[in-house]
Amino acid sequence: KQEVTQIPAALSVPEGENLVLNCSFTDSAIYNLQWFRQDPGKGLTSLLLIQSSQREQTSGRLNASLDKSSGRSTLYIAASQPGDSATYLCAAHPETSRTSGSRLTFGEGTQLTVNP
Amino acid sequence: KAGVTQTPRYLIKTRGQQVTLSCSPISGHRSVSWYQQTPGQGLQFLFEYFSETQRNKGNFPGRFSGRQFSNSRSEMNVSTLELGDSALYLCASSGGTLHGGYTFGSGTRLTVV
Repeated sequence: KQEVTQIPAALSVPEGENLVLNCSFTDSAIYNLQWFRQDPGKGLTSLLLIQSSQREQTSGRLNASLDKSSGRSTLYIAASQPGDSATYLCAAHPETSRTSGSRLTFGEGTQLTVNP
Repeated sequence: KAGVTQTPRYLIKTRGQQVTLSCSPISGHRSVSWYQQTPGQGLQFLFEYFSETQRNKGNFPGRFSGRQFSNSRSEMNVSTLELGDSALYLCASSGGTLHGGYTFGSGTRLTVV
């Protein structure tokens, strides 16, 4: 059974700092890994999707990497801003997604606060 | 293009009642999944529908059910509501191949009193 862990559970940083959020998963047989952002009481906004054949994806100030062999993914946020304050979740898509549908396994999330 | 639309946004129900939530996926997406989010359990998978067929099911009691229509819109139903069913219910759609990942709706906040 896939288990996804995110460290740290909470992070508070001053504006402008670069930071790294960590995600680890126990079963390396994943199809892809997706990072989401969730604002309080809202739905999930997809940030980055990394296919299992890729090692990283970039979007603006965000960069996500994936190392299947070690069961790890990281989300790097450059030059953080107060508007980045939210909960960040990673989710693993199982390898079986290719043919028989999918159920995402989510981590518990990292609650990020960027202070002005 | 329009995103995933969930209705209603908020619901308050009494224990023992039943409730139906609706989800309209992104146009062209045939896969719709449902998740329950609570502070204690995080995000948990309920079920997935693809082309009107339930393709996957999570570990929830039979009080939780769903269906998908020919236009890919999906509904989930919870019967005999319990206080513990209070949660944010999220719907996600994908193109079926998952190359584009999942797109989530804004959710329905259900409160059972």
